[in-house]
Amino acid sequence: EVQLVESGGGLVQPGRSLKLSCAASGFTFSNYYMAWVRQAPKKGLEWVATISTSGSRTYYPDSVKGRFTISRDNAKSSLYLQMNSLKSEDTATYYCARLRGCFDYWGQGVMVTVSS
Amino acid sequence: ETVLTQSPTTTAASPGEKVTITCRASSSVSYMHWYQQKSGASPKLWIYDTSKLASGVPNRFSGSGSGTSYSLIISSIETEDAATYYCQQKSSDPPTFGAGTKLELK
Repeated sequence: EVQLVESGGGLVQPGRSLKLSCAASGFTFSNYYMAWVRQAPKKGLEWVATISTSGSRTYYPDSVKGRFTISRDNAKSSLYLQMNSLKSEDTATYYCARLRGCFDYWGQGVMVTVSS
Repeated sequence: ETVLTQSPTTTAASPGEKVTITCRASSSVSYMHWYQQKSGASPKLWIYDTSKLASGVPNRFSGSGSGTSYSLIISSIETEDAATYYCQQKSSDPPTFGAGTKLELK
């Protein structure tokens, strides 16, 4: 059974940093692109970052480019999202997702609140 | 980026009714994917590659479309179908989502 379990969320002040983790199991992690998708409270879904199987290629929307960094450790079957210079508009539930053209499996999500 | 516009934003239907949710793309895409999200839960892949049902999805659901117009159709609504449905494309970067259609049961 595919499982994705996020951790690392919480309350953080504007301008500070936070690192999210996603532990994957039930599939060969190194064979799949992975992604982060977020959802602001009562809002829709927004793609945040994608990483290739080896980690050599990463992709971001303009809204987070230069502030967020996606990475992975295939030996640990883990995905990460380093978020720097956080803004109030980054407040959202962050989901780890497996990418196969579509986002075919999602984690339960972790809440990030950016507020002073 | 390719903007996806879903309609309606909200709809209510009685059990047994047919419902159609439309997703229009600002430019042509090759495939459309659909997700179901129930309140307080994470999204689930529901339909992929325009018309393929994800594992466990009842066959009262179907998907169709091409180019800039795609649809998710529920032939006979059941109470468990109450949720928000999102369309998503990855034909052109960045991947984008529609704003969602909230389906309520009368």
